[in-house]
Amino acid sequence: DQQVKQNSPSLSVQEGRISILNCDYTNSMFDYFLWYKKYPAEGPTFLISISSIKDKNEDGRFTVFLNKSAKHLSLHIVPSQPGDSAVYFCAASEDNAGNMLTFGGGTRLMVKP
Amino acid sequence: KAGVTQTPRYLIKTRGQQVTLSCSPISGHRSVSWYQQTPGQGLQFLFEYFSETQRNKGNFPGRFSGRQFSNSRSEMNVSTLELGDSALYLCASRWGGSGTEAFFGQGTRLTVV
Repeated sequence: DQQVKQNSPSLSVQEGRISILNCDYTNSMFDYFLWYKKYPAEGPTFLISISSIKDKNEDGRFTVFLNKSAKHLSLHIVPSQPGDSAVYFCAASEDNAGNMLTFGGGTRLMVKP
Repeated sequence: KAGVTQTPRYLIKTRGQQVTLSCSPISGHRSVSWYQQTPGQGLQFLFEYFSETQRNKGNFPGRFSGRQFSNSRSEMNVSTLELGDSALYLCASRWGGSGTEAFFGQGTRLTVV
């Protein structure tokens, strides 16, 4: 049973436009959420996180939105750049400490010049 | 500041053998977690060590084990290797406190033949 799901395996966006990556979860005990970016042959790189007490967190071009009632979070990248092309994973943790991360299956983002 | 270092980067083993992978966390980080990434199952949590003690464990068989040394370096061991153990094994380093993100190494690509 997948507790964290990223239903879109891939997303293609034009440079300069907004990229929206979505993530759904089923475990109501999750209270800390993170987004990671992964390039081939490298480990995941932390992007941004959000605690369940918030509904929005912003860091530069990256904004994460959390809708607890819908058990849904999304990552917005504005404006998208070709260097953003990578696989994006959302992850969740039950203990607000980032331990035991449960990952989604990933979404491959392609930003076209 | 040096990142998370995993050795070796690539490994080929035969079914039935055992293997030991190594992870050196970021200096000052006391938490080391291990994850397995496969095409079919995605990124899955194996276990976490904090101050030389296993703090959390994922749903993997007892063939998968680990340990952490006093300098926070960690090793994971897989005994009686199976073909299905072929995967990218990722180590993540955290300071260990609440709400701190995990920093990943580049991983060890294990192929079991």
